Amino acid sequence: AQSVAQPEDQVNVAEGNPLTVKCTYSVSGNPYLFWYVQYPNRGLQFLLKYITGDNLVKGSYGFEAEFNKSQTSFHLKKPSALVSDSALYFCAVRDYGQNFVFGPGTRLSVLP
Amino acid sequence: NAGVTQTPKFRILKIGQSMTLQCTQDMNHNYMYWYRQDPGMGLKLIYYSVGAGITDKGEVPNGYNVSRSTTEDFPLRLELAAPSQTSVYFCASSYLGGFGNTIYFGEGSWLTVV
Repeated sequence: AQSVAQPEDQVNVAEGNPLTVKCTYSVSGNPYLFWYVQYPNRGLQFLLKYITGDNLVKGSYGFEAEFNKSQTSFHLKKPSALVSDSALYFCAVRDYGQNFVFGPGTRLSVLP
Repeated sequence: NAGVTQTPKFRILKIGQSMTLQCTQDMNHNYMYWYRQDPGMGLKLIYYSVGAGITDKGEVPNGYNVSRSTTEDFPLRLELAAPSQTSVYFCASSYLGGFGNTIYFGEGSWLTVV
């Protein structure tokens, strides 16, 4: 069965510093990986996805993610964090039933 | 383009009451989903549907029922509400076919059972 792990419940970074939110996955076959962001009292919004091709994927709001097949990781990154990036981030994988399996989420706090 | 619309946004239920969470999407998506989100637990799939007339159980279906009579609508029914069903519920949809298709979420329905 497909699974997703986000090893950090909380990530704190200072505004202007680079940020990384970690995600590892377990799939049988090719991975189809996604990142979503959830702001308070809102639904999840799509950030980016990896289907195939370049290991570095660029997405919305200046975020990018690096796919690493050997480490089965798909870490979310941003070169310079903003206070407005503070939110809950979910990594997800799509399984062969075309359902999405979500990680538990990582809360990002960007401190001014 | 409204996307995925859920109602109500907030609801308080008494134990044993029943209610229906409404969900509609205007993107002509085949797939629709209901998730629940508990604090610190991520999202759990309750039910999903691959098209009108077809539904299937997800990870946590007990205490819930769904129907899919049209492509647009996918209501979630709670029968005999219990405190364990206090949660935030999200409806979502995506296109059929192609594992790269993105899933789109509604704004959520906050349900408290007292």
